[in-house]
Amino acid sequence: DSGVTQTPKHLITATGQRVTLRCSPRSGDLSVYWYQQSLDQGLQFLIQYYNGEERAKGNILERFSAQQFPDLHSELNLSSLELGDSALYFCASSVSGTGVDEAFFGQGTRLTVV
Amino acid sequence: DAKTTQPNSMESNEEEPVHLPCNHSTISGTDYIHWYRQLPSQGPEYVIHGLTSNVNNRMASLAIAEDRKSSTLILHRATLRDAAVYYCIRKGAQKLVFGQGTRLTINP
Repeated sequence: DSGVTQTPKHLITATGQRVTLRCSPRSGDLSVYWYQQSLDQGLQFLIQYYNGEERAKGNILERFSAQQFPDLHSELNLSSLELGDSALYFCASSVSGTGVDEAFFGQGTRLTVV
Repeated sequence: DAKTTQPNSMESNEEEPVHLPCNHSTISGTDYIHWYRQLPSQGPEYVIHGLTSNVNNRMASLAIAEDRKSSTLILHRATLRDAAVYYCIRKGAQKLVFGQGTRLTINP
């Protein structure tokens, strides 16, 4: 158990809909990362937050948005869903968000768009 | 823009050491070298990281070249549970970007 909690574990929804994925970081971790992993594909970095502020942005679509709340949990919002958005979405957390400390990953949310 | 180069795949035998190489020739002086692995159907798992000196932990050892342009992850005695995709990552102040990694197969 990494200490990073992602909910829900599985989500099935229809095209055009909107969903929210939630991530609770490890206690004491200030930085949260989001990743997308499509079937048999690599991990695509989406976005990183540190203590409520956006720190880095990757290949995140305009239909996707995220935020980190004062209690440090984070949510990834996916809207106008398309079939191609079906993927595993991982969240990770670390203390500082720099290279000094390691990141811990959750078990992911499997999103299926039908 | 992972900026590391790893072999696509490697194969080893159970109970033998495994050396997984990584090239990061454009690494900056403040970037750490991180290694993670991903087992099938699981989230990535931290393995080890270092800056300049070699590092050891219960999972593996990390040997970093003196010029820091390459590193090697060493699994001292591979087991079947070590079969995974191993990622070598340069980590600075921002991002944690994964490349394609090395798919490690362990033969019984």
